[in-house]
Amino acid sequence: AQSVSQHNHHVILSEAASLELGCNYSYGGTVNLFWYVQYPGQHLQLLLKYFSGDPLVKGIKGFEAEFIKSKFSFNLRKPSVQWSDTAEYFCAVNGHSGSARQLTFGSGTQLTVLP
Amino acid sequence: ETGVTQSPTHLIKTRGQQVTLRCSSQSGHNTVSWYQQALGQGPQFIFQYYREEENGRGNFPPRFSGLQFPNYSSELNVNALELDDSALYLCASSLDSAGVRFFGPGTRLTVL
Repeated sequence: AQSVSQHNHHVILSEAASLELGCNYSYGGTVNLFWYVQYPGQHLQLLLKYFSGDPLVKGIKGFEAEFIKSKFSFNLRKPSVQWSDTAEYFCAVNGHSGSARQLTFGSGTQLTVLP
Repeated sequence: ETGVTQSPTHLIKTRGQQVTLRCSSQSGHNTVSWYQQALGQGPQFIFQYYREEENGRGNFPPRFSGLQFPNYSSELNVNALELDDSALYLCASSLDSAGVRFFGPGTRLTVL
């Protein structure tokens, strides 16, 4: 079965700072990769996904992520954060076969953006 | 297009009781999955149903069981509740077992 590691539990930034949240996964087969976001008081929603093709994917609200297969990484980036980006961010991986056909989440990163 | 809905929103039970949580899938989705999210942690996969059959299960004991109905709505049943079962239970629907999951708002279960 796969696993996901998010290295930062809590990140605090000022508005306009750049953001990079780390995500590494362990699984030897083909995977789909996701970043989900949970804004205060709201439910989980998709930020972006990678299924195949260009390893640099763009999502909503100016977020992007890069899949680096050799490093089993899928880091999330945003060049300039806003106060409204304050939320919890979850990286997730889904394998394609057998017992890996489940969505496995990391433990999450709480992002606080100071105005 | 109606999103994923869950009921009830909150629930309080005592240890040893049984609980049933319900989920309505997004229109056109035939796969539903359930997750347990403890405070401060990421969602943990419980199980997944595709066209009324379980096609994946996480590391949860058999007292966690489920059903998917012909209209693709779903139930999560938990027997013999324990204090550690207190968590937010999330339901998600999708078009297949590897695609984008659309999540409901969750049911907050408190076991006393």
